[in-house]
Amino acid sequence: NAGVMQNPRHLVRRRGQEARLRCSPMKGHSHVYWYRQLPEEGLKFMVYLQKENIIDESGMPKERFSAEFPKEGPSILRIQQVVRGDSAAYFCASSPSAGNMNTEAFFGQGTRLTVV
Amino acid sequence: KQEVTQIPAALSVPEGENLVLNCSFTDSAIYNLQWFRQDPGKGLTSLLLIQSSQREQTSGRLNASLDKSSGRSTLYIAASQPGDSATYLCATQRVQGAQKLVFGQGTRLTINP
Repeated sequence: NAGVMQNPRHLVRRRGQEARLRCSPMKGHSHVYWYRQLPEEGLKFMVYLQKENIIDESGMPKERFSAEFPKEGPSILRIQQVVRGDSAAYFCASSPSAGNMNTEAFFGQGTRLTVV
Repeated sequence: KQEVTQIPAALSVPEGENLVLNCSFTDSAIYNLQWFRQDPGKGLTSLLLIQSSQREQTSGRLNASLDKSSGRSTLYIAASQPGDSATYLCATQRVQGAQKLVFGQGTRLTINP
């Protein structure tokens, strides 16, 4: 049973380009969360998704950022027109299906985005 | 709004010492509190999860306690080893907005041989 898989592990983009970060949750998990860790800072919540639904995007910047979790395939965090301030580690976590909100989250290895 | 604070920000101790890392939180209405370990350039590894109804959890040389009423948790590491060097993060899962974790800034721990 593979863990949470994120790819790519490292991503370099020039200012103005688009960045696409992928996350495949653990098998049997239908809840996906994205967090961002800026240099020398803690992790900050960005968005929580279930299959085909955005449940909570209160931590995601209103512009340039979007997230999806389609019926088939991985969850995608998309950053358009990247700027240097977007350079960070982006972590994905997943948890099991609904019912019990009190569940342990399992994290991927992260994608380290560098904007040059 | 939940705020999670970890003290100290950095800690350096000789090998073999027992040590305590501290975590405090402002909103006691939580489902659970988790301690994670993060190695440089790596992801997060879950160490211990304490449910709100529990007082402590143990795994090997690690023991985590939770005092909800005072908004505090501690992570106790016994007989520290150089391999314990990492950043340790605590995170709460609140009852309100329960889906997301709120993290502290972390304690960067260095164990000197």
